[in-house]
Amino acid sequence: GENVGLHLPTLSVQEGDNSIINCAYSNSASDYFIWYKQESGKGPQFIIDIRSNMDKRQGQRVTVLLNKTVKHLSLQIAATQPGDSAVYFCAEVNYGQNFVFGPGTRLSVLP
Amino acid sequence: DTAVSQTPKYLVTQMGNDKSIKCEQNLGHDTMYWYKQDSKKFLKIMFSYNNKELIINETVPNRFSPKSPDKAHLNLHINSLELGDSAVYFCASSRRGDQETQYFGPGTRLLVL
Repeated sequence: GENVGLHLPTLSVQEGDNSIINCAYSNSASDYFIWYKQESGKGPQFIIDIRSNMDKRQGQRVTVLLNKTVKHLSLQIAATQPGDSAVYFCAEVNYGQNFVFGPGTRLSVLP
Repeated sequence: DTAVSQTPKYLVTQMGNDKSIKCEQNLGHDTMYWYKQDSKKFLKIMFSYNNKELIINETVPNRFSPKSPDKAHLNLHINSLELGDSAVYFCASSRRGDQETQYFGPGTRLLVL
């Protein structure tokens, strides 16, 4: 079946640096993609999404890039802070169907 | 106020037992979901439900069944629990037609012994 995966299961960055979390997906028919943040002991929290007809979307300190040619999605976090430490999931959504989540990347922010 | 709440937070039980996990949302959403997160943090949808349609992930054993007494609740019943059912179960909700913006509950940590 279709699946979404991550290149890097763990990522450590220095506080203040930029973080880039990557995700590969396999279903070229997916309609949009979402990034979730999951802090320890909590449920996933929506960060940002992007529709398949876009290649970039910016939020507050976060940017999502979509490269449909290589089926790659990335989440960029500017000026990473200790509060950004969490597990980040990408998910792909097919219209009228359900989510498929990737396995997650753990981001650790070093002081 | 908690938008999506689940009870219990922790559940430890013996293999073969039947258990239920409750979920409530006070967001006025039409659609609710159940997810299973395994020990490797992999999240997999189990069910999505609104007042008209139940969508079941075909890989979910029929020992799992969602029950919705009203629009604000979607409970998860599990019969004949197995060791492999040990996981964290998340409930989520969204407005109908806005499934990309789901609000998740805090999770229920189930351990089957």
